[in-house]
Amino acid sequence: DAGVIQSPRHEVTEMGQEVTLRCKPISGHNSLFWYRQTMMRGLELLIYFNNNVPIDDSGMPEDRFSAKMPNASFSTLKIQPSEPRDSAVYFCASSRTDREQYFGPGTRLTVT
Amino acid sequence: DAKTTQPPSMDCAEGRAANLPCNHSTISGNEYVYWYRQIHSQGPQYIIHGLKNNETNEMASLIITEDRKSSTLILPHATLRDTAVYYCIVPPLNTGTASKLTFGTGTRLQVTL
Repeated sequence: DAGVIQSPRHEVTEMGQEVTLRCKPISGHNSLFWYRQTMMRGLELLIYFNNNVPIDDSGMPEDRFSAKMPNASFSTLKIQPSEPRDSAVYFCASSRTDREQYFGPGTRLTVT
Repeated sequence: DAKTTQPPSMDCAEGRAANLPCNHSTISGNEYVYWYRQIHSQGPQYIIHGLKNNETNEMASLIITEDRKSSTLILPHATLRDTAVYYCIVPPLNTGTASKLTFGTGTRLQVTL
């Protein structure tokens, strides 16, 4: 099993640019989660999907952030326009419904 | 959500057992206790979970008190690779047993030679 796959692993972009982070969950998992980790705020849940449907997006910081899950094997987290305060490590995780979560290696985003 | 309290840091000698405590005095009857850890620069890793009975897997053991107000994660023979931040989490029941994880500050375990 390849585990949760995230791309890119590192992203450096300028303020105002669009950023798209990608995630491939573990095959057979039907829940997918996006988290953000910073030194100041720790690890925060942004949004999660169950069977490709967004269930809770209360953690999404603002309208600049959007997430999609067009099918069971792919999800994106988009930031448009990006700002320096969006700099963080973004993790994707997947699970079977109501079971333990398996995390990807993360994408380190730096917005200058 | 049931709030959890963990010591901010602990040390353990390599080869000895690491016992990581967690208080969750407001836990409700059907809420599970989950443990995850995060090794530096990696994503969090699931360790173990339990409801009432003690649990053991290849990574660790979980001891839950009879009143369920506290638990202890035991790494029986800690190695340097177990150095990490350990999180004790009680997900809210109304969103599923594992769906909505709230990570606190955890316990930073340092395993030393």
